[in-house]
Amino acid sequence: QSALTQPASVSGSPGQSITISCTGTSNDVASYNLVSWYQQHPGKAPKLIIYESTKRPSGVSNRFSGSKSGNTASLTISGLQAEDEADYYCCSYAGIITFDVIFGGGTKLTVL
Amino acid sequence: EVQLLESGGGLVQPGGSLRLSCAASGFTLSSYAMSWVRQAPGKGLEWVSTINGDNTYYAESVRGRFTISRDSSKNTLYLQMNSLRAEDTAIYYCGKVITPYDYRDALDIWGQGTMVTVSS
Repeated sequence: QSALTQPASVSGSPGQSITISCTGTSNDVASYNLVSWYQQHPGKAPKLIIYESTKRPSGVSNRFSGSKSGNTASLTISGLQAEDEADYYCCSYAGIITFDVIFGGGTKLTVL
Repeated sequence: EVQLLESGGGLVQPGGSLRLSCAASGFTLSSYAMSWVRQAPGKGLEWVSTINGDNTYYAESVRGRFTISRDSSKNTLYLQMNSLRAEDTAIYYCGKVITPYDYRDALDIWGQGTMVTVSS
């Protein structure tokens, strides 16, 4: 399975909203409601911010939201804050034939 | 508090072996599917392996070389890595699946990671 496709970088100013796309195929994103998003600050472990395409874990700010349409999932961050600057990874279950999990290449978010 | 703590990383020669451990606290490890995910230096995340009950799953890149297991009495997850290659060099994270009802779901708790370096 190939990696999910994400933009390498996005940027926005404080208070603005940004959206990160994650494009897969009919074998992964389109077939399962099992897309998740992780935030990773430098030198830190990933943190789950969206699961099952649209759900937020307890404690995650409601400025983070997820959506999915066909083979593309999206992460939207509203009211950008300086601490949102991080790498973001999408992930999808991709077990059409055998159990498989694939990640996107990651998107570097810069808060200007 | 729910926590995962990895250990066992280090420097190993190509062809060598290493066993990683992931000690869980605050929850019963055997009640959830658990996974290993790795990140090569400066690169993205890569799923490595998942265990759910008695069933184990592996990425194609490690199948036949790595073995995932857990010890319920110690509440600890393991990753036995054999025939290591330079391309296995990475930070290895263990993670807990968010729900006990779907082993394919996201990882809500991650350890801090342990570095594995394969080099002569």
